[in-house]
Amino acid sequence: TQLLEQSPQFLSIQEGENLTVYCNSSSVFSSLQWYRQEPGEGPVLLVTVVTGGEVKKLKRLTFQFGDARKDSSLHITAAQPGDTGLYLCAGERMRFGAGTRLTVKP
Amino acid sequence: DADVTQTPRNRITKTGKRIMLECSQTKGHDRMYWYRQDPGLGLRLIYYSFDVKDINKGEISDGYSVSRQAQAKFSLSLESAIPNQTALYFCATSDAGSLTFGAGSRLTVL
Repeated sequence: TQLLEQSPQFLSIQEGENLTVYCNSSSVFSSLQWYRQEPGEGPVLLVTVVTGGEVKKLKRLTFQFGDARKDSSLHITAAQPGDTGLYLCAGERMRFGAGTRLTVKP
Repeated sequence: DADVTQTPRNRITKTGKRIMLECSQTKGHDRMYWYRQDPGLGLRLIYYSFDVKDINKGEISDGYSVSRQAQAKFSLSLESAIPNQTALYFCATSDAGSLTFGAGSRLTVL
């Protein structure tokens, strides 16, 4: 089983701050996905990364896939209250990490 | 209408009762999944199906069963519910790419 460890588990910051959350594994992935889940809803796909070293940007969100394809990070620039949610990474076989719960305070 | 519809959205039941959670999708995807979500544990895969005649166990299938009635329908059953099955349950579909989730079914077993 490919285990995905996400850190930190909880993160509470002020609006305008930058942050990075991580998704790590001892296994190599051919691809990795990031989802965001808001209260009362199902997770929604943010991005899929496939190539080692790949960087993808989605507005203020920057996703990076590690060179060895064992880890990934999500960086948010100038966080806003609307970024509040649970951020989940998922590897092959549709297995998920436990998530990072982000709260952005106005 | 939502791409993935789960019913019921909320259910309270008693220990020992049989419960069925239903899922239907309009995406036309072959692959369907059932997950449960508990605080601090993320999403754990219960069962998945790659087509109508295919059923596979996930990480935590004990105490659960599924039925793939059609390409668009995938139901999850708890034959005899127990309190530690209290959780938020999600159905999802995919076309071998990313997952599209339903809004979830919150189940409480007293």
